[in-house]
Amino acid sequence: NAGVMQNPRHLVRRRGQEARLRCSPMKGHSHVYWYRQLPEEGLKFMVYLQKENIIDESGMPKERFSAEFPKEGPSILRIQQVVRGDSAAYFCASSPPRGHQETQYFGPGTRLLVL
Amino acid sequence: SQQGEEDPQALSIQEGENATMNCSYKTSINNLQWYRQNSGRGLVHLILIRSNEREKHSGRLRVTLDTSKKSSSLLITASRAADTASYFCATGPQGGSEKLVFGKGMKLTVNP
Repeated sequence: NAGVMQNPRHLVRRRGQEARLRCSPMKGHSHVYWYRQLPEEGLKFMVYLQKENIIDESGMPKERFSAEFPKEGPSILRIQQVVRGDSAAYFCASSPPRGHQETQYFGPGTRLLVL
Repeated sequence: SQQGEEDPQALSIQEGENATMNCSYKTSINNLQWYRQNSGRGLVHLILIRSNEREKHSGRLRVTLDTSKKSSSLLITASRAADTASYFCATGPQGGSEKLVFGKGMKLTVNP
């Protein structure tokens, strides 16, 4: 049973470009979470999705950031018109469909560098 | 806002010694989880303790939870150089929220 998969592992973008980060949850998991980690910091929650639904996006910046988890395929975190402050590690986690009592399993992360 | 706060922020010990890390939080929780992160890598789940539990063991790990003091501790016994990593506590809030709220982490160095 493969773990949570994220790609790319490293992504370099110039200011103003778009960054697209992908996450495939563990088999059987229908809950996906995105977190951002700045250097020497803990992870900060961004968004929680189930298939075709955004459940909680309270941690998402209001502009330039969007997320989706389509019926088929991976979850996508999209950052438009990236700025240097978007440079961070972005982690995806997934959990089984039994709610908030379950462990979240994390992927290896995508490290975004904005030049 | 930050929920969990680990203490100490950094700890350096010798192989074979025990390491204790503490985590304090502010609001009511459903569960508390501990994760390990090796430098530049993803997070590895270590242990989950629910709000109605007081202590839990997993191999060389022992976790306690005191909901009256809003604190938890992670004890690693007989530490190894491979335990060198950052350790994070994360709380699962009540009220139906699914998100985890992480502390800033604690850097553990185990010297061979």
